[in-house]
Amino acid sequence: QVQLRESGPGLVKPSQTLSLTCTLSGASIRGGYYWSWVRQHPGKGLDWIAYINYSGTTHYNPSLKSRATISADSSKNQFSLSLTSVTAADTAVYYCAFGSGTSAGLAVWGQGTSVSVSS
Amino acid sequence: DIQMTQYPSTLSASVGDRVIITCRASQSIRTYLNWYQHKPGRPPKLLIYSASSLQSGVPSRFSGSGSGTDFTLTISSLQPEDFATYYCQQTYSTLWTFGQGTLVE
Repeated sequence: QVQLRESGPGLVKPSQTLSLTCTLSGASIRGGYYWSWVRQHPGKGLDWIAYINYSGTTHYNPSLKSRATISADSSKNQFSLSLTSVTAADTAVYYCAFGSGTSAGLAVWGQGTSVSVSS
Repeated sequence: DIQMTQYPSTLSASVGDRVIITCRASQSIRTYLNWYQHKPGRPPKLLIYSASSLQSGVPSRFSGSGSGTDFTLTISSLQPEDFATYYCQQTYSTLWTFGQGTLVE
């Protein structure tokens, strides 16, 4: 059974870099999958942030204006999200998720980690 | 970007009702459309993928249909545990997008 667990700082100061990690169990990051980050601002809907696939190809939500970087570390069986120059608008619950292909949906999600941006 | 619009934004229903949620894409996405259920404090749950395929473990009262630009999620008989927010998502483009959500209350 595939499980995902997000980890992150909880609180980040404005202008700093937010770093989140998603640790996999029950599956290999080297598998033919798609690994993604999604966030939900307080009281709002789901926003797709980025994904990385089995070949290392990455795609990002253009609204993030190149502030986001998604990467995978096969030695640790993890994938990560880095978001630079954060503002209060980045306060959200961040989820990591995976799917077996672009037509398969995101079948497994982490529990989510809440991130607040505040001085 | 492909825009996804859901109708209605809020839906009031009772247990046993047939519920239909609509999702419209700003351009054809073939059948690259997924549906999720989201409850407060919990992660989203995949219900339907590829427009009409039922995810393993999801009750058969959930069904999806459509192709191109117009899609529907149907709950044949609403159960108490189905009160939640529902989102569609397109994965046709390399830039994925979600609809704004439909709250079933």
